[in-house]
Amino acid sequence: NAGVTQTPKFQVLKTGQSMTLQCAQDMNHNSMYWYRQDPGMGLRLIYYSASEGTTDKGEVPNGYNVSRLNKREFSLRLESAAPSQTSVYFCASRIQGRNSPLHFGNGTRLTVT
Amino acid sequence: SQQGEEDPQALSIQEGENATMNCSYKTSINNLQWYRQNSGRGLVHLILIRSNEREKHSGRLRVTLDTSKKSSSLLITASRAADTASYFCATDANSGNTPLVFGKGTRLSVIA
Repeated sequence: NAGVTQTPKFQVLKTGQSMTLQCAQDMNHNSMYWYRQDPGMGLRLIYYSASEGTTDKGEVPNGYNVSRLNKREFSLRLESAAPSQTSVYFCASRIQGRNSPLHFGNGTRLTVT
Repeated sequence: SQQGEEDPQALSIQEGENATMNCSYKTSINNLQWYRQNSGRGLVHLILIRSNEREKHSGRLRVTLDTSKKSSSLLITASRAADTASYFCATDANSGNTPLVFGKGTRLSVIA
């Protein structure tokens, strides 16, 4: 049982390049989330999908787009990467709504030069 | 913006001692959760306490919640070197379908 799988694990981009971070979960969870983690800032929510077919902005959505491809997969796209997007990106999922824990992937470490 | 704020930011203790971390939050919550993050890894859920609960235990972990003070504490008893990690509190709002909001974390170092 893999849980939440993120690819790639590491990525280096040049300013202006685009890329898609992939996330898949095999726990039949309804809700999925993208967070970024920066030193001293904790985790900040970028986008989330409360259920298949819906997506909503989080605290820091600018510069990102998301796609909930199906119940299992939730991707995060950087259309034109900027150095400010250098961060560690975490995907997470939970069964649905409140009173349930988040399950996290191991992150994608992105550097934009 | 962060809902929860952990205190202290960093804590260093000897193996066998107890570690206490605190979390304060601002608005009404449905539940509060604690997570651990080992270096280079994703967060792992430790414990969830609902707004109508005051205390919860799980193994060496004890969590308290005081909704009147909007604060929670996480106590790790008889700490081990393997407890070295960052610990985050996260809050679930009382209404709507809003996601968990995390604090900035406490970095715990347990010295053998």
